[in-house]
This record gives sequence, C-alpha cells and structure tokens, in this order.
Amino acid sequence: AQKITQTQPGMFVQEKEAVTLDCTYDTSDPSYGLFWYKQPSSGEMIFLIYQGSYDQQNATEGRYSLNFQKARKSANLVISASQLGDSAMYFCAMRGGYNQGGKLIFGQGTELSVKP
Amino acid sequence: GAVVSQHPSRVICKSGTSVKIECRSLDFQATTMFWYRQFPKQSLMLMATSNEGSKATYEQGVEKDKFLINHASLTLSTLTVTSAHPEDSSFYICSASPGTGASNQPQHFGDGTRLSIL
Repeated sequence: AQKITQTQPGMFVQEKEAVTLDCTYDTSDPSYGLFWYKQPSSGEMIFLIYQGSYDQQNATEGRYSLNFQKARKSANLVISASQLGDSAMYFCAMRGGYNQGGKLIFGQGTELSVKP
Repeated sequence: GAVVSQHPSRVICKSGTSVKIECRSLDFQATTMFWYRQFPKQSLMLMATSNEGSKATYEQGVEKDKFLINHASLTLSTLTVTSAHPEDSSFYICSASPGTGASNQPQHFGDGTRLSIL
C-alpha cells in the first residue's frame, strides 16, 4: 500500500528566509510521481512542483525546489526567499503508475506561517 | 493550462436535502475524475474515482448510496450527496488531469464546495 507522511503539523519561517517542509513516502510501485500542492485558506489546491521516480535531477520551479532522496524515500519541499503570501497549508502527494488508476494519496499537511 | 471548474462553491441547506456538485474540465477531456473530502485542518481524503461511461470506484468506508457519482461525459462528473445530514458537512473538491493517467501528470483541482447542512 502507498503511504505519504508529513511529520510537521506547523512551521514558522521569517520572511525572506528559506524553509524546508518534510515528506516521506512508501510504495512498492517502481513508477510513481511525487507532487506538492499549496492550499490557501480559501481552499483551492495549487500545484507547485512534480518529481518523477526515475528523474535523475531534483525538480525546481522558481522559488520551489524538491529535495528528492530516493533511497531514503523522502521528497522534501524547499521554499526559498519566503514571502507573506506563502502562508498556507502544504500537502505532499503521491501518484502511482497507470495501473494504480492515477489517484493521489495525500500526506497530513504542514501549515506554514511566514512572519514579517 | 488545464482548468477544472467546480460548482457551486458553497451550499447551505436543511437536513434531508440532496445536493448536487458539478465538476467540469474546461479545456481537456477527462475519462477519470476524482472526488475528495476534507475536514477543517485535515488532509484530503479520496472518496471515489469517477469513470466516464462506467460505475465509479469507491474507497473503503464510503457509502455508495449516500454519495452518488455520475460521469456522463468526458468533461463532466457530478457528486450528489443524498439526504444530507449535518455530519455530511464538509469541503468537497474534485480533480482531473489530461492524458492517460500516467504518474507524471499533475491533477488539477476545482475550487471546492463548502457544504453546510443545518
């Protein structure tokens, strides 16, 4: 069975500083995708970044980067130069291969608060 | 980019009412859509996989007769909460992705529906 774990219920970071949000996963599927989503208080889910299980390099998207350590089964999100607008819930999610039906399994989430 | 539209955004109704929520993929076709439920300060819980032209696949513990799913076209899935009661109050959100369901396709989410049953 697939499982995603986020062990930080809440995190604080000073504006302009970098922050790392932890995510570990477990799966027996050799092909999988790892995703990070941001959910502001308004509720919408905003896709941030994707890492494939076969990708050799860590994914980056602007201020977001994914620290992918396959052997440790971790996929931590790094946000550089935090902004006040980064305050939100952050979810790590995993999607298995095509035979898994494409559904996403989410971690518990981390609430990030950016301090001015 | 891929856009998913969900309506209504908020519903407040009396106990015993049935409520229909629509999820549309606006610029792509989706043979599969997903319905999630989220309680305050908690994660998204997958309720069911909506399959175009066939029956939905429900996750363990989700009542099929309570949460009716219909996926009549490649761009529309509906979730009907039948005879809703206060315990059904929650945030419901749908998602879909273009393509074949490969693991590298991000899912795109609707804006969600806040359901409040009085």
